[in-house]
Amino acid sequence: EAGVTQFPSHSVIEKGQTVTLRCDPISGHDNLYWYRRVMGKEIKFLLHFVKESKQDESGMPNNRFLAERTGGTYSTLKVQPAELEDSGVYFCASSQDQGNTIYFGEGSWLTVV
Amino acid sequence: AQSVTQLDSQVPVFEEAPVELRCNYSSSVSVYLFWYVQYPNQGLQLLLKYLSGSTLVKGINGFEAEFNKSQTSFHLRKPSVHISDTAEYFCAVSKISGGYNKLIFGAGTRLAVHP
Repeated sequence: EAGVTQFPSHSVIEKGQTVTLRCDPISGHDNLYWYRRVMGKEIKFLLHFVKESKQDESGMPNNRFLAERTGGTYSTLKVQPAELEDSGVYFCASSQDQGNTIYFGEGSWLTVV
Repeated sequence: AQSVTQLDSQVPVFEEAPVELRCNYSSSVSVYLFWYVQYPNQGLQLLLKYLSGSTLVKGINGFEAEFNKSQTSFHLRKPSVHISDTAEYFCAVSKISGGYNKLIFGAGTRLAVHP
């Protein structure tokens, strides 16, 4: 069974540009999460989808970040325009039901220069 | 609100020695507890979890952790480490009520195993 997959694995962009990160959850998992770890800090929750609906987006840092999950399958996280402080690792995760184990992808490493 | 404190940012240890990575949490509600590991250039992998039942939880790669409710701790242990255990380890909690799995992570502990 394929795990959570994320693309791209690494991305280097200039300040002011746009980047879109993609996440494919484990097949059959209705719950999809985005987390991120900026340099030297804790891994922090960004948001949670149940199917295509945003259950909780309390961790989204500001309106430069937009997450979507059209059709309740894969999800995208767009950063527009990117700022230097957005650099870090963006993790996607999924779980079958709320209350079940969350499985993480390998992360998308974003560097804004 | 919940919070997690990992008391050691770095732990150096020699191969085949025992190791304990400490984790304390605070929460006003009951929580689930987890340890995740991130090997160099890889993603987060679940090591073990405590949901209920026995307070001693065994995970992958010979790791185990003990839930201590009175001390609000969930320390991770391994009796004999290998070079391949070099990684960053994260303790995390999630509240039980509401059936929701939002994870709160500690800052991580870098385990460096030396020959």
